Amino acid sequence: SAVISQKPSRDICQRGTSLTIQCQVDSQVTMMFWYRQQPGQSLTLIATANQGSEATYESGFVIDKFPISRPNLTFSTLTVSNMSPEDSSIYLCSVAGTSGKEGEQYFGPGTRLTVT
Amino acid sequence: QKEVEQDPGPLSVPEGAIVSLNCTYSNSAFQYFMWYRQYSRKGPELLMYTYSSGNKEDGRFTAQVDKSSKYISLFIRDSQPSDSATYLCAMNTRLAGTASKLTFGTGTRLQVTL
Repeated sequence: SAVISQKPSRDICQRGTSLTIQCQVDSQVTMMFWYRQQPGQSLTLIATANQGSEATYESGFVIDKFPISRPNLTFSTLTVSNMSPEDSSIYLCSVAGTSGKEGEQYFGPGTRLTVT
Repeated sequence: QKEVEQDPGPLSVPEGAIVSLNCTYSNSAFQYFMWYRQYSRKGPELLMYTYSSGNKEDGRFTAQVDKSSKYISLFIRDSQPSDSATYLCAMNTRLAGTASKLTFGTGTRLQVTL
């Protein structure tokens, strides 16, 4: 499985500001994903980060709020824009496995965001 | 109604006990079923991956899928304190364009005590 790192591991931000989260993978991967994990809630897919094209967002998530970049096959960023306390959450990136098993994904350690 | 239902726990068991973790789902299109383990302040780690109905065993872990009842289980034998974590079920479909979209349960927090 791929080794995935995220920066920062945690941050405390003021409302109205933006935070960019980085996700680095130790090997080239086709598919990268961004999830949100709110307290007491399921992991929710925000978007699929596509290399060389715009990200594909899930219902309820928009590009203006969560812009995503994917400049190459090993790196992606997620920005949480104009933050409010409701954005306090753990943000996780994941990559699809290389075994060919549909739905197999591997996750980074997460970024714990607190908005005050 | 949520697509995937999972009891959040917490579930506390003594060391050596057999643990049973369960999820029910409503979407009959789900074809692939996974169990992830998440330690505190870590990302989820893929534990078990199953496709067909029936049992799959890996060491102390057994994943069971009953598609007719829309019910999946994870059994942990001879539970250890190191098994203390949150266990998340996840599943997805084979539909084109959605195969990579995982739908997760809320997770069950397990505590194995000495």
